Amino acid sequence: KAGVTQTPRYLIKTRGQQVTLSCSPISGHRSVSWYQQTPGQGLQFLFEYFSETQRNKGNFPGRFSGRQFSNSRSEMNVSTLELGDSALYLCASSLGSVPEAFFGQGTRLTVV
Amino acid sequence: AQTVTQSQPEMSVQEAETVTLSCTYDTSESNYYLFWYKQPPSRQMILVIRQEAYKQQNATENRFSVNFQKAAKSFSLKISDSQLGDTAMYFCAFMKKGGTSYGKLTFGQGTILTVHP
Repeated sequence: KAGVTQTPRYLIKTRGQQVTLSCSPISGHRSVSWYQQTPGQGLQFLFEYFSETQRNKGNFPGRFSGRQFSNSRSEMNVSTLELGDSALYLCASSLGSVPEAFFGQGTRLTVV
Repeated sequence: AQTVTQSQPEMSVQEAETVTLSCTYDTSESNYYLFWYKQPPSRQMILVIRQEAYKQQNATENRFSVNFQKAAKSFSLKISDSQLGDTAMYFCAFMKKGGTSYGKLTFGQGTILTVHP
C-alpha cells in the first residue's frame, strides 16, 4: 500500500504570493489533517478534512484554507504569504474513525 | 484546550543503554489517547507507541514502553537497548477520543534524542 504523498517536497515563494500544497492519503483513508512545523512554534494543527468536510480547525488566520476532493486528496492554500509562513507543512491521513494517523514527508515552504 | 509539555529539549544516550523521555499534559477530558511520535532527519513522523487513557496497563512495543500516570497526567517513554537508528526528535501528542475528535493531534515541543556509538 502506498503511503501518504505530499507534493511538492520543496517550494520557494515570494512574500505576497499564494501557494497550494497537495496531499494524497493512503488508499481508503477518508481523513486528512494538516500541521505546520516551525522551530519557534513547534507542531501546530491547521485543520482536518473528513469526507470532503472540514471537521476540525486550528487557530490560524483565514489566509490558510483547505479542501478535500471526493477521492480524499486534499489541498491547502496559503494566500498573501508572509515570511513567518516559512515552515514544514505535514499532512496526515487516517480512516477518521480510529486514532492512528500516518504522516507524509512534508512540504518545506520557504517565503523570501 | 489541551496542552502537552516536554521539558527536555535534548537528551543523549550511549548505544545499548536505556533512556527515558518525559511528557506531561493537561486536559479536562476523561477519554483520550496519548502518543509518542518519532521524527528522524528525513522529517517523516513515525508512530512509536499509543496509550489509551482508560487502559491501566502501560503500552509496550518491542524496545519502547511507556509509564502512564493518569492522575499525575504524566506519560514518559522508555527506550531500552538504544540503537543508532533511534536518533531523532520525539514528540508526545494528545488526541481526544471519539466522534469528530479523531484527526486532531496536540503535540509537545519535542525532545531531540541522540544515540552515541
